[in-house]
Amino acid sequence: GQNIDQPTEMTATEGAIVQINCTYQTSGFNGLFWYQQHAGEAPTFLSYNVLDGLEEKGRFSSFLSRSKGYSYLLLKELQMKDSASYLCAVMDSNYQLIWGAGTKLIIKP
Amino acid sequence: GAVVSQHPSWVICKSGTSVKIECRSLDFQATTMFWYRQFPKQSLMLMATSNEGSKATYEQGVEKDKFLINHASLTLSTLTVTSAHPEDSSFYICSATSGRAMETQYFGPGTRLLVL
Repeated sequence: GQNIDQPTEMTATEGAIVQINCTYQTSGFNGLFWYQQHAGEAPTFLSYNVLDGLEEKGRFSSFLSRSKGYSYLLLKELQMKDSASYLCAVMDSNYQLIWGAGTKLIIKP
Repeated sequence: GAVVSQHPSWVICKSGTSVKIECRSLDFQATTMFWYRQFPKQSLMLMATSNEGSKATYEQGVEKDKFLINHASLTLSTLTVTSAHPEDSSFYICSATSGRAMETQYFGPGTRLLVL
């Protein structure tokens, strides 16, 4: 079966760095997405990785290792507004998105 | 960036009534639209995928006669929850892509449905 695993909840301190991991097992692979979702709102796109390596975009970076079925989202210089759920999603061979359950990130002052 | 709108943003209705939710791509042509449902503290659950001009493809366990999807144009898809019941209360979110492979899905703001 297809499976996406990510931690349920993480806590970090304002100004610090946090890494949210995602491991996946899917039928084929056409890219991995990270989305941010604030409570009560729809998800917003953060990043897309299809090749191995690190993609940096401002304070957020996303890493992919296809051979390991592994990705992480790195958030630097954490701000209180970064408190949200972070969803990992993998596009399978049918171009369907398989969603993880999301990681709730709590930022403390 | 690509903008997707949804209307209404929230709706309260009586049990047994039908509710229509609209999803529009405002600045691009969406050949493919997706409808999701999200219960509190849970991840997104794909309900169906619709391609413009063709019948929607429903996920297993989603009743197509209860959740009617119409994708009549390249910028509009509608989801109608027929004979809504309290258990249908949820957050319904649509997303759209231009149809190219590996295209990012852009999400609408969601519609919160409460069935009394």
